[in-house]
Amino acid sequence: SYVLTQTPSVSVSPGQTASITCFGDNLGEKYVSWSKQAPGQSPVLVIYEDAKRPSGIPERISGSNSGNTATLTISGAQALDEADYYCQVWDSSYVIFGGGTKLTVL
Amino acid sequence: QVQLQESGPGLVKPSQTLSLTCTVSGGSLTSAEHYWTWVRQPPGKGLEWIGYIYYTGSTYYSPSLNGRVAISVDTSKNQFSLNLTSATAADTAVYYCARLNVVVAAASYFDSWGQGALVTVSS
Repeated sequence: SYVLTQTPSVSVSPGQTASITCFGDNLGEKYVSWSKQAPGQSPVLVIYEDAKRPSGIPERISGSNSGNTATLTISGAQALDEADYYCQVWDSSYVIFGGGTKLTVL
Repeated sequence: QVQLQESGPGLVKPSQTLSLTCTVSGGSLTSAEHYWTWVRQPPGKGLEWIGYIYYTGSTYYSPSLNGRVAISVDTSKNQFSLNLTSATAADTAVYYCARLNVVVAAASYFDSWGQGALVTVSS
């Protein structure tokens, strides 16, 4: 079955840019979505179809996908960005999640 | 704005069946653009897809659950339900119901989530 791999943790200083990556075989041929899960909260969609933002998601959050790697980029990191982030794809009618990346802003 | 709400027992004994219901408001389970999904998250761990159902009744389940799962839908009540048989401590988790947008199936994404329900499997 298809596997998505994420780095378990990423740290970023306030105001700097954080990059969260998701790896999968020929991932660039699939559409990737990203969800953010703040502590104790339900996940919230932040990126879909590789790079589209749902309404209400700021422009400083962006996504890209090419080759074997999808990247979620958070510019001007803020304390409110501290959360777990999950990538997700559809593969042969199955839903696949990455293991999640904990973003720490410090 | 669609809202989803999980309900069901918070404690299940080992070997029994874990059952949860998701009530949908502000949206219809007969939408052709959505699959209705269950996802779980063991304490301190990541998200795990359990399965989904389409309003026609067709279902897909995660192979990792070894045939223990069944999802059903009641469009008259705007609810869908999860049954997980032969529960063990490993099934202890927060269970989320969620809506999966499948306008383009290969580009599916979760656009709405319930608040989650903690289910503990213990004697």
